[in-house]
Amino acid sequence: AQSVTQPDIHITVSEGASLELRCNYSYGATPYLFWYVQSPGQGLQLLLKYFSGDTLVQGIKGFEAEFKRSQSSFNLRKPSVHWSDAAEYFCAVASSGGYQKVTFGTGTKLQVIP
Amino acid sequence: GAGVSQSPRYKVAKRGQDVALRCDPISGHVSLFWYQQALGQGPEFLTYFQNEAQLDKSGLPSDRFFAERPEGSVSTLKIQRTQQEDSAVYLCASSPPRGKEDTQYFGPGTRLTVL
Repeated sequence: AQSVTQPDIHITVSEGASLELRCNYSYGATPYLFWYVQSPGQGLQLLLKYFSGDTLVQGIKGFEAEFKRSQSSFNLRKPSVHWSDAAEYFCAVASSGGYQKVTFGTGTKLQVIP
Repeated sequence: GAGVSQSPRYKVAKRGQDVALRCDPISGHVSLFWYQQALGQGPEFLTYFQNEAQLDKSGLPSDRFFAERPEGSVSTLKIQRTQQEDSAVYLCASSPPRGKEDTQYFGPGTRLTVL
């Protein structure tokens, strides 16, 4: 069965500092990988996704993520965090065959301090 | 264009009441998913529709949960005899035909509180 681990429940960074959110997945074949962001009271917004090809994926809002098969990781990065980035971030994995049953991690809550 | 919409946005129910949650997917989206998000957790898969066919309901937590999509568009998630543990945000997502764009678009969710 597929699974996702986000080891950091909360992360606090200063505005302008760099950010890395960790994600490890478990899946038998090459997975589809996603990062979503959820602001309070809002639905999930897709930041970026990896299906195949270049392992460094660019997303919206200046985010990027790197797929590392050898480490089963898909960490999210941003070089300079803005106060508006404060939200909860979810890593997710889906099967690359059949229909897309998505399994989410438990989320990392990002706090940005001035 | 319009995104996925869900109604109501908030629902308070007394324990034992039945509730119905509605999802309007993006027009033309074949696939529709329901997820349950408990407080402080990530969303968990409940069920999947391809058009009107419910192809996977393995995530439904009990036989009190029932979902339908009779015309392959709007979907309703029904919870009978609600319990306190049913309190959660219920998210709906839709996606285009497989291979066109394998991405799920999420609605804002319905926050259900069972007293």
